[in-house]
Amino acid sequence: EAGVTQFPSHSVIEKGQTVTLRCDPISGHDNLYWYRRVMGKEIKFLLHFVKESKQDESGMPNNRFLAERTGGTYSTLKVQPAELEDSGVYFCASSQGIMPDEQYFGPGTRLTVT
Amino acid sequence: AQTVTQSQPEMSVQEAETVTLSCTYDTSESDYYLFWYKQPPSRQMILVIRQEAYKQQNATENRFSVNFQKAAKSFSLKISDSQLGDAAMYFCAYRSAPFTGANSKLTFGKGITLSVRP
Repeated sequence: EAGVTQFPSHSVIEKGQTVTLRCDPISGHDNLYWYRRVMGKEIKFLLHFVKESKQDESGMPNNRFLAERTGGTYSTLKVQPAELEDSGVYFCASSQGIMPDEQYFGPGTRLTVT
Repeated sequence: AQTVTQSQPEMSVQEAETVTLSCTYDTSESDYYLFWYKQPPSRQMILVIRQEAYKQQNATENRFSVNFQKAAKSFSLKISDSQLGDAAMYFCAYRSAPFTGANSKLTFGKGITLSVRP
């Protein structure tokens, strides 16, 4: 069974540009989460999808971030326009939604904004 | 809001020895789950062990065990017979129960980098 995949693994962009991160969850997993780790700090929750619906987006930092989940399958996280403080590692996780509901993480996308 | 604190940024252990990683948390909830995640240098984070707060018995998974002190809000991870493959960053995480809706998110500590000396 394929795990959670993320693309790209690394992205370097200039301030003001747009970047789109993609996450493919494990097949059949209804729950999809985005997290972010800024260097030296905690991994922070961004948002949670249940199928194609946003269940909780309380962690989204501002309206420069837009997350979508097309048809309840893969998800994209767009940052537009990117700022220096957006640099970090963006993790995606998915879970089946059945107890014990373990979250499986992807390898992350390292975003560097220069 | 819940917080998780890992105050030790780095630790080192000799191969085959035992090491304990510390974690404290703060919450007003009575029912919750605690986790230790491991992130090896290849960056894929995996679940090491889970503890349900309502269970008094400490969780154990092979060489990994926890010391869960609910009153003290402490959740340490003990790795016995350390192996070179245990070298990684370890994150302590908290999650409210039940596993639905806004309670699904994980709250993480800053992590601790564990190195294993051969």
